Amino acid sequence: DTGVSQDPRHKITKRGQNVTFRCDPISEHNRLYWYRQTLGQGPEFLTYFQNEAQLEKSRLLSDRFSAERPKGSFSTLEIQRTEQGDSAMYLCASSPGNGYEQYFGPGTRLTVT
Amino acid sequence: QKEVEQNSGPLSVPEGAIASLNCTYSDRGSQSFFWYRQYSGKSPELIMSIYSNGDKEDGRFTAQLNKASQYVSLLIRDSQPSDSATYLCAALRDSNYQLIWGAGTKLIIKP
Repeated sequence: DTGVSQDPRHKITKRGQNVTFRCDPISEHNRLYWYRQTLGQGPEFLTYFQNEAQLEKSRLLSDRFSAERPKGSFSTLEIQRTEQGDSAMYLCASSPGNGYEQYFGPGTRLTVT
Repeated sequence: QKEVEQNSGPLSVPEGAIASLNCTYSDRGSQSFFWYRQYSGKSPELIMSIYSNGDKEDGRFTAQLNKASQYVSLLIRDSQPSDSATYLCAALRDSNYQLIWGAGTKLIIKP
């Protein structure tokens, strides 16, 4: 079991550009989550998939954010027209269908200049 | 009131002593609770999960849950400098499997 992986690990972009992040969950984990974390705070929930279905999306998430999990395996998170306030660590986690523990990937650190 | 509250610290504990980390939550419907450790610049790492009232032990770690008082704690015995990190408490919202997080307690183990 290789754990949750995320790509890229770091991303620096200019304001107004679009960025896309990828998450590969632990194999056979059917639930996948995206969180965002800023310094000194706990992770903030963004969205959640069960298999390929996006079941929940935070009200805090603007229309500039979109996530997909087309085949129920890997997921992508896209941010359009990035703003400086989007600078954060973007975390992906997965959990098995028969359990509640969430296992996190290493995260993608986004810096918007 | 935040849904999950932790003292931000820092909590300073001598090496070899017991570190005690505390967390309170507001949603009486929460049934599942988790402690994560997070080193600076890294992602959260699951340490313990607890679902029933009482104590749960795993090596040097003991999680305690008191649903009547809406209180969760983590004890670390024989603290080591490598235990220095931020410890995050999280409660599971059963309706959507979303974790509700505290802001974390920074723990410093002094050699």
